[in-house]
Amino acid sequence: DVVMTQSPLSLPVTLGQPASISCRSSQSLVYSDGNTYLNWFQQRPGQSPRRLIYKVSNRDSGVPDRFSGSGSGTDFTLKISRVEAEDVGVYYCMQGTHWPPFTFGPGTKVDIK
Amino acid sequence: EVQLVESGGGLVQPGGSLRLSCAASGFTFSSYWMSWVRQAPGKGLEWVANIKQDGSEKYYVDSVKGRFTISRDNAKNSLYLQMNSLRAEDTAVYYCAREVSDHWGQGTMVTVSS
Repeated sequence: DVVMTQSPLSLPVTLGQPASISCRSSQSLVYSDGNTYLNWFQQRPGQSPRRLIYKVSNRDSGVPDRFSGSGSGTDFTLKISRVEAEDVGVYYCMQGTHWPPFTFGPGTKVDIK
Repeated sequence: EVQLVESGGGLVQPGGSLRLSCAASGFTFSSYWMSWVRQAPGKGLEWVANIKQDGSEKYYVDSVKGRFTISRDNAKNSLYLQMNSLRAEDTAVYYCAREVSDHWGQGTMVTVSS
C-alpha cells in the first residue's frame, strides 16, 4: 500500500500570513495515463471533508484562489497565500493512483496563533 | 446540486450487524463509482470500499474484507454498506462519497460497544 505522510502535523498560523503543508508518498503517484492522482481535502471543525484540489493542482469549483497545489512524483505541497479565519481545520492529502486501497495522509491541523 | 445523505448508523454490540444507506440526488448516480470512507473519533480518514457504476467491481480495505459488503441500487439512486461481525475498531463516522472524493455526505455514526 502507498503510505502518505504530511508535515507539519500541526500548523499555527497568523491571519493574513501564508501557510504551507507538505505531503509525501512512498512511491511515485504518476499513473500510466500520465496523470498524478493526488488530492487535497479540508475538514473544518464538525464538518464533512471537502475536496479543494484534485490531480495535484486543479482547484475545485468554489475554492478560493488563495489555495494552490503543486508538486510531482512523490512530493506535493498545499499553499494558502493568506490565511483567513475560515481556513481553520484539518487538511488531508490522498492518493488515487495506486488503489485499492486509496490512502490518506494523517492530516495537518491548521489553527490561528 | 449534488446531495448525499447517509442513514442507518447507531449503537451495536460487538459481533452484530448494521446496514448503512446513502441516498444520492442531483447527479446521474449510475454514471459514477461510489465509495464509503470512515473516520474514527478524533482520527483521520480511511477509505473503506468502493463500487463500480454497474456494481460489477467492488474493492475493500483489508481490515473489512469478508465482513463488509458494498452494494448499490441505481434505480433507487442508493448506495449501501452491509456491515457484519462488527468490532470496536469499526466505531467511526461513515461517509458516502462520489468517486471517493469530489462530494461527500454528512456522515452517519456507527458505535460498536457492549
